[in-house]
Amino acid sequence: AQSVTQPDIHITVSEGASLELRCNYSYGATPYLFWYVQSPGQGLQLLLKYFSGDTLVQGIKGFEAEFKRSQSSFNLRKPSVHWSDAAEYFCAVGLISGGSYIPTFGRGTSLIVHP
Amino acid sequence: ETGVTQTPRHLVMGMTNKKSLKCEQHLGHNAMYWYKQSAKKPLELMFVYNFKEQTENNSVPSRFSPECPNSSHLFLHLHTLQPEDSALYLCASSQDGRTGNSYTFGSGTRLTVV
Repeated sequence: AQSVTQPDIHITVSEGASLELRCNYSYGATPYLFWYVQSPGQGLQLLLKYFSGDTLVQGIKGFEAEFKRSQSSFNLRKPSVHWSDAAEYFCAVGLISGGSYIPTFGRGTSLIVHP
Repeated sequence: ETGVTQTPRHLVMGMTNKKSLKCEQHLGHNAMYWYKQSAKKPLELMFVYNFKEQTENNSVPSRFSPECPNSSHLFLHLHTLQPEDSALYLCASSQDGRTGNSYTFGSGTRLTVV
């Protein structure tokens, strides 16, 4: 079965510092890959997605992610973090099962931003 | 109104009550989903509806009963819940249930079972 691992439960960075959130997946083929962000009390907002093509994907809010097939990874990056980026970040893998699209989410990484 | 709207935003119910959660999408999508988000747990997919047909039931207890009268509306009927059912319930929709493109979430209903 497919799985998604986000090894870091919490990440703390200073405002202005660079950020990398890790995501590894387990699946036989190349799945659809997503990163979502969730602010407190809110639903999930799509940051970016990878279906095929260029392995470096640009998203909203200055985020990007790179798909590395050899490492089964899809890490999220941002060159300079803003205090408003503090939130929960979820990596997700999507695949087709029984004719339906079934996304599987990681446990999430909580980003804390220090001033 | 655009996007995915969930009502109510907050719900407190006793274990013997019956209540319903509502989800409405104005995106023209054909697939809708219910997720449960508990503290310190991954998002759990509960149900998938594709063109109003239920295509996935992820071993959800029968005290949760979904209903999808049309592609724009999704309900989750609740009865005789347990305290461990307290969680954030998220609804999502996508263009169709086969590609998952444009997968959009609502803001959720925070459910507390007392």
